Amino acid sequence: AQTVTQSQPEMSVQEAETVTLSCTYDTSESDYYLFWYKQPPSRQMILVIRQEAYKQQNATENRFSVNFQKAAKSFSLKISDSQLGDAAMYFCAHGTSYGKLTFGQGTILTVHP
Amino acid sequence: NAGVTQTPKFQVLKTGQSMTLQCAQDMNHEYMSWYRQDPGMGLRLIHYSVGAGITDQGEVPNGYNVSRSTTEDFPLRLLSAAPSQTSVYFCASSPRGGYSNQPQHFGDGTRLSIL
Repeated sequence: AQTVTQSQPEMSVQEAETVTLSCTYDTSESDYYLFWYKQPPSRQMILVIRQEAYKQQNATENRFSVNFQKAAKSFSLKISDSQLGDAAMYFCAHGTSYGKLTFGQGTILTVHP
Repeated sequence: NAGVTQTPKFQVLKTGQSMTLQCAQDMNHEYMSWYRQDPGMGLRLIHYSVGAGITDQGEVPNGYNVSRSTTEDFPLRLLSAAPSQTSVYFCASSPRGGYSNQPQHFGDGTRLSIL
């Protein structure tokens, strides 16, 4: 079984600053993916970034990047140049075969102008 | 493309009533799944399917039934609704093809309240 833990229920950042959201996981799988999803008040689940566990290089998507530490089972999300539109709930998730995802509890990100 | 379509968007039921949450996707995805989202607990997997005629239980399957008669549709049935099933329900789909195709496409969710 997999578990995903997000230890920061809430985080805040000033507009244009950088913020890092933490995530740790436990897994018995040898092949898996890790994801960060964004959920704005509209309730949509929006994929922010994904990381293949077999890749050592950290994934990046524009202002979003991850710090993947496989041995430590850590997968943090860094948001650079934060924007007001980044305010949302962020979920870390572990993915296995057949499209099954295990989610963390979520981190609410507030962006102050 | 419509992507993943869930109906209804909102529903209020009385304890003991039954209902079906509908989920349809038009992307020819083989994998489909249902999650529930409760406050402070993130999303939890209820049931999933790897293709027409094949379903299996997830983390919290009790009180829910599913079937997959076609690739496109994956309905979730509540046979006798209980207040503990008050939640937001998400349907998701993804294509077969290895881990490179893992990204899930989510529906917009159904908010279900059981009185």
